Amino acid sequence: AQTVTQSQPEMSVQEAETVTLSCTYDTSENNYYLFWYKQPPSRQMILVIRQEAYKQQNATENRFSVNFQKAAKSFSLKISDSQLGDTAMYFCAFMREGNNDMRFGAGTRLTVKP
Amino acid sequence: GAVVSQHPSRVICKSGTSVKIECRSLDFQATTMFWYRQFPKQSLMLMATSNEGSKATYEQGVEKDKFLINHASLTLSTLTVTSAHPEDSSFYICSASRDRRSQYFGPGTRLLVL
Repeated sequence: AQTVTQSQPEMSVQEAETVTLSCTYDTSENNYYLFWYKQPPSRQMILVIRQEAYKQQNATENRFSVNFQKAAKSFSLKISDSQLGDTAMYFCAFMREGNNDMRFGAGTRLTVKP
Repeated sequence: GAVVSQHPSRVICKSGTSVKIECRSLDFQATTMFWYRQFPKQSLMLMATSNEGSKATYEQGVEKDKFLINHASLTLSTLTVTSAHPEDSSFYICSASRDRRSQYFGPGTRLLVL
Protein backbone atom coordinates (compact mmCIF):
# COMPACT_ATOMS: atom_id res chain seq x y z
CA ALA A 1 0.00 0.00 0.00
CA GLN A 2 1.12 3.51 -0.73
CA THR A 3 1.51 5.94 2.15
CA VAL A 4 2.04 9.67 2.08
CA THR A 5 3.65 11.49 5.00
CA GLN A 6 3.57 15.19 5.70
CA SER A 7 5.62 15.77 8.83
CA GLN A 8 4.77 19.44 9.31
CA PRO A 9 1.26 19.89 10.76
CA GLU A 10 1.62 23.67 10.74
CA MET A 11 3.89 26.20 9.08
CA SER A 12 3.97 29.96 8.94
CA VAL A 13 5.76 32.41 6.70
CA GLN A 14 5.97 36.15 6.33
CA GLU A 15 4.37 37.71 3.31
CA ALA A 16 6.76 37.87 0.34
CA GLU A 17 9.06 35.26 1.86
CA THR A 18 9.66 31.71 0.65
CA VAL A 19 8.44 28.55 2.38
CA THR A 20 8.95 24.85 1.70
CA LEU A 21 6.46 22.16 2.64
CA SER A 22 7.72 18.60 2.97
CA CYS A 23 6.23 15.37 1.71
CA THR A 24 7.56 11.84 1.57
CA TYR A 25 5.86 8.75 0.22
CA ASP A 26 6.33 5.05 0.16
CA THR A 27 5.72 2.93 -2.90
CA SER A 28 7.17 0.04 -4.83
CA GLU A 29 5.76 1.37 -8.09
CA ASN A 30 7.94 2.98 -10.73
CA ASN A 31 5.28 4.94 -12.57
CA TYR A 32 3.05 7.29 -10.64
CA TYR A 33 1.90 10.86 -10.20
CA LEU A 34 2.39 13.24 -7.30
CA PHE A 35 0.24 16.24 -6.50
CA TRP A 36 -0.01 19.19 -4.20
CA TYR A 37 -3.52 20.40 -3.46
CA LYS A 38 -4.55 23.56 -1.64
CA GLN A 39 -7.67 23.60 0.52
CA PRO A 40 -8.62 27.13 1.62
CA PRO A 41 -11.31 27.80 4.25
CA SER A 42 -13.97 27.29 1.56
CA ARG A 43 -12.77 23.64 1.55
CA GLN A 44 -12.65 23.49 -2.24
CA MET A 45 -9.70 21.35 -3.27
CA ILE A 46 -7.51 23.26 -5.72
CA LEU A 47 -4.75 21.60 -7.70
CA VAL A 48 -1.51 23.49 -7.18
CA ILE A 49 0.97 21.38 -9.08
CA ARG A 50 1.43 17.90 -10.53
CA GLN A 51 4.54 15.83 -11.18
CA GLU A 52 4.89 12.73 -13.32
CA ALA A 53 7.37 10.32 -11.79
CA TYR A 54 8.96 9.52 -15.14
CA LYS A 55 9.92 13.17 -15.63
CA GLN A 56 13.20 14.18 -14.07
CA GLN A 57 12.51 17.88 -14.46
CA ASN A 58 10.80 19.45 -11.47
CA ALA A 59 7.36 20.88 -12.17
CA THR A 60 6.77 24.61 -11.75
CA GLU A 61 3.64 26.74 -11.79
CA ASN A 62 4.36 30.44 -11.39
CA ARG A 63 5.34 30.92 -7.71
CA PHE A 64 5.00 27.21 -6.94
CA SER A 65 7.70 24.67 -7.64
CA VAL A 66 8.56 21.21 -6.43
CA ASN A 67 11.74 19.39 -5.54
CA PHE A 68 11.11 15.83 -6.66
CA GLN A 69 13.66 13.32 -5.46
CA LYS A 70 12.52 9.95 -6.77
CA ALA A 71 15.21 7.84 -5.15
CA ALA A 72 14.54 9.45 -1.79
CA LYS A 73 10.77 9.37 -2.38
CA SER A 74 10.54 13.00 -1.50
CA PHE A 75 8.27 15.64 -3.04
CA SER A 76 8.52 19.06 -1.40
CA LEU A 77 6.61 22.18 -2.43
CA LYS A 78 8.28 25.58 -2.52
CA ILE A 79 6.13 28.68 -2.48
CA SER A 80 7.99 31.84 -3.45
CA ASP A 81 6.87 35.39 -2.74
CA SER A 82 4.18 34.12 -0.37
CA GLN A 83 0.88 35.95 -0.49
CA LEU A 84 -1.88 36.24 2.10
CA GLY A 85 -4.12 34.24 -0.23
CA ASP A 86 -1.77 31.29 0.06
CA THR A 87 -3.02 30.70 3.60
CA ALA A 88 -4.66 27.27 3.47
CA MET A 89 -4.25 23.58 4.16
CA TYR A 90 -1.89 21.91 1.72
CA PHE A 91 -2.18 18.23 0.93
CA CYS A 92 0.38 16.09 -0.81
CA ALA A 93 -1.13 13.22 -2.80
CA PHE A 94 0.06 10.10 -4.62
CA MET A 95 -1.62 8.32 -7.50
CA ARG A 96 -0.41 5.11 -9.07
CA GLU A 97 -0.39 5.15 -12.87
CA GLY A 98 -3.31 3.31 -14.38
CA ASN A 99 -5.08 3.09 -11.06
CA ASN A 100 -6.55 6.55 -10.57
CA ASP A 101 -6.71 5.90 -6.83
CA MET A 102 -5.39 8.95 -4.95
CA ARG A 103 -3.93 8.83 -1.46
CA PHE A 104 -3.44 11.94 0.63
CA GLY A 105 -1.06 12.99 3.35
CA ALA A 106 -2.33 14.40 6.63
CA GLY A 107 -1.88 17.97 5.43
CA THR A 108 0.09 21.04 6.45
CA ARG A 109 -1.68 24.17 7.61
CA LEU A 110 0.16 27.16 6.15
CA THR A 111 -0.38 30.65 7.50
CA VAL A 112 1.03 33.64 5.65
CA LYS A 113 1.52 36.55 8.00
CA PRO A 114 1.35 40.18 6.89
CA GLY B 1 -12.66 23.21 -18.14
CA ALA B 2 -12.91 20.25 -15.74
CA VAL B 3 -15.57 21.62 -13.41
CA VAL B 4 -17.26 19.37 -10.87
CA SER B 5 -20.34 20.39 -8.92
CA GLN B 6 -21.95 18.93 -5.83
CA HIS B 7 -25.46 19.35 -4.54
CA PRO B 8 -26.46 20.18 -1.92
CA SER B 9 -23.59 22.16 -0.44
CA ARG B 10 -25.01 21.76 3.02
CA VAL B 11 -27.69 19.52 4.48
CA ILE B 12 -29.15 19.02 7.93
CA CYS B 13 -31.29 15.98 8.57
CA LYS B 14 -32.83 14.04 11.39
CA SER B 15 -31.34 10.81 12.63
CA GLY B 16 -32.77 7.83 10.77
CA THR B 17 -33.44 9.60 7.50
CA SER B 18 -31.59 9.12 4.23
CA VAL B 19 -29.68 11.81 2.41
CA LYS B 20 -28.65 11.88 -1.24
CA ILE B 21 -25.68 13.88 -2.49
CA GLU B 22 -25.14 14.48 -6.20
CA CYS B 23 -21.83 14.90 -7.98
CA ARG B 24 -21.75 16.15 -11.56
CA SER B 25 -18.97 16.71 -14.04
CA LEU B 26 -20.18 19.78 -15.91
CA ASP B 27 -17.93 20.00 -18.93
CA PHE B 28 -16.41 16.58 -19.37
CA GLN B 29 -17.31 12.92 -19.24
CA ALA B 30 -16.00 11.25 -16.13
CA THR B 31 -15.04 7.63 -16.56
CA THR B 32 -14.45 7.33 -12.84
CA MET B 33 -15.80 9.19 -9.83
CA PHE B 34 -14.58 9.07 -6.27
CA TRP B 35 -16.18 9.80 -2.92
CA TYR B 36 -14.15 11.06 0.03
CA ARG B 37 -14.96 11.87 3.60
CA GLN B 38 -13.16 14.54 5.57
CA PHE B 39 -13.46 15.05 9.31
CA PRO B 40 -12.57 18.44 10.80
CA LYS B 41 -8.87 19.23 10.59
CA GLN B 42 -8.13 15.88 9.00
CA SER B 43 -7.20 14.65 5.58
CA LEU B 44 -9.43 13.21 2.87
CA MET B 45 -10.23 9.55 3.25
CA LEU B 46 -11.30 7.65 0.15
CA MET B 47 -14.63 5.92 0.67
CA ALA B 48 -15.32 4.40 -2.72
CA THR B 49 -14.54 4.45 -6.40
CA SER B 50 -17.25 4.18 -9.01
CA ASN B 51 -17.13 3.58 -12.73
CA GLU B 52 -20.08 4.39 -14.93
CA GLY B 53 -22.46 1.48 -15.24
CA SER B 54 -20.78 -0.78 -12.75
CA LYS B 55 -20.84 -1.36 -9.01
CA ALA B 56 -18.74 0.85 -6.80
CA THR B 57 -15.60 -0.44 -5.14
CA TYR B 58 -15.59 0.39 -1.44
CA GLU B 59 -12.55 0.92 0.75
CA GLN B 60 -12.03 -1.37 3.69
CA GLY B 61 -14.18 -0.38 6.61
CA VAL B 62 -16.76 1.51 4.56
CA GLU B 63 -20.22 -0.04 4.78
CA LYS B 64 -21.61 -0.39 1.28
CA ASP B 65 -25.16 -0.79 2.58
CA LYS B 66 -24.77 2.42 4.55
CA PHE B 67 -23.25 4.49 1.77
CA LEU B 68 -24.99 3.66 -1.48
CA ILE B 69 -23.25 4.87 -4.61
CA ASN B 70 -24.80 5.04 -8.04
CA HIS B 71 -22.93 6.08 -11.16
CA ALA B 72 -25.68 6.05 -13.73
CA SER B 73 -24.05 8.21 -16.38
CA LEU B 74 -20.68 9.62 -17.37
CA THR B 75 -21.55 12.93 -15.73
CA LEU B 76 -23.43 11.96 -12.58
CA SER B 77 -22.70 9.98 -9.45
CA THR B 78 -24.79 9.95 -6.30
CA LEU B 79 -23.96 9.05 -2.72
CA THR B 80 -26.89 8.14 -0.47
CA VAL B 81 -26.29 7.98 3.25
CA THR B 82 -28.98 5.60 4.46
CA SER B 83 -30.48 5.81 7.93
CA ALA B 84 -28.09 8.58 8.85
CA HIS B 85 -26.86 8.93 12.43
CA PRO B 86 -24.93 11.73 14.14
CA GLU B 87 -21.64 9.90 13.62
CA ASP B 88 -22.21 10.21 9.87
CA SER B 89 -21.93 13.98 10.16
CA SER B 90 -18.95 15.00 8.09
CA PHE B 91 -17.77 16.78 4.97
CA TYR B 92 -18.21 14.67 1.85
CA ILE B 93 -16.20 15.47 -1.28
CA CYS B 94 -16.50 13.91 -4.70
CA SER B 95 -14.01 13.97 -7.51
CA ALA B 96 -14.13 12.98 -11.14
CA SER B 97 -11.54 11.75 -13.58
CA ARG B 98 -11.59 11.74 -17.37
CA ASP B 99 -8.22 10.04 -17.71
CA ARG B 100 -5.90 8.26 -15.33
CA ARG B 101 -3.69 11.24 -14.68
CA SER B 102 -5.61 13.49 -12.29
CA GLN B 103 -8.83 14.10 -10.42
CA TYR B 104 -11.05 17.17 -10.30
CA PHE B 105 -12.79 17.89 -7.05
CA GLY B 106 -16.25 19.14 -6.25
CA PRO B 107 -16.81 21.85 -3.64
CA GLY B 108 -17.99 19.38 -1.01
CA THR B 109 -21.16 18.77 0.99
CA ARG B 110 -21.42 19.38 4.69
CA LEU B 111 -23.76 16.88 6.32
CA LEU B 112 -25.09 17.39 9.83
CA VAL B 113 -27.25 14.69 11.34
CA LEU B 114 -29.22 15.73 14.39
